[in-house]
Amino acid sequence: EAGVAQSPRYKIIEKRQSVAFWCNPISGHATLYWYQQILGQGPKLLIQFQNNGVVDDSQLPKDRFSAERLKGVDSTLKIQPAKLEDSAVYLCASSLALAGGTDTQYFGPGTRLTVL
Amino acid sequence: GNSVTQMEGPVTLSEEAFLTINCTYTATGYPSLFWYVQYPGEGLQLLLKATKADDKGSNKGFEATYRKETTSFHLEKGSVQVSDSAVYFCALSDSDTGNQFYFGTGTSLTVIP
Repeated sequence: EAGVAQSPRYKIIEKRQSVAFWCNPISGHATLYWYQQILGQGPKLLIQFQNNGVVDDSQLPKDRFSAERLKGVDSTLKIQPAKLEDSAVYLCASSLALAGGTDTQYFGPGTRLTVL
Repeated sequence: GNSVTQMEGPVTLSEEAFLTINCTYTATGYPSLFWYVQYPGEGLQLLLKATKADDKGSNKGFEATYRKETTSFHLEKGSVQVSDSAVYFCALSDSDTGNQFYFGTGTSLTVIP
């Protein structure tokens, strides 16, 4: 079974530029998550999708971050414009769980973003 | 609210030493508990999990027991190997909050030959 795919693996941009990350979850997984992992810290949830709807985006900085999951499969996360403090690894995860249940989350390899 | 507190690192052990990484949690509901491992340059991989009190999760020689009375889920391994060098994250998932995961800050483990 293929795992969670993410691209690109690495990205270096200048501050105030825009960047987009892509995620393809495990086939059949209804729930998709985007996390931000700053060096030396645990992952922090940015947004959670259930199929193509948003379940939780309370920690997403909506003035510069946006995410979508059209058709309930792939997802993109965008940052526009980027700031220095956005330098982090962006992790995508997916799970079978429907809302109200608990289930294992499976993580992709992440995209390491460096903002100069 | 929900949170996870993890033992500070880094931890350095000799090969075949005994490992304990402490993890305690706070939760509003009845959480499931997880240990994830992150090898250098890779994403998080599930190591083990426990879904209710007194359950023991185990995998690759690692074990952790869900202790509701002490709100703990400590990770143990009897004899570590160099290949166990990684960062270990304790996490909880609470059905009351739509399966959102709460992670600890991670504990870096280095095993030396």
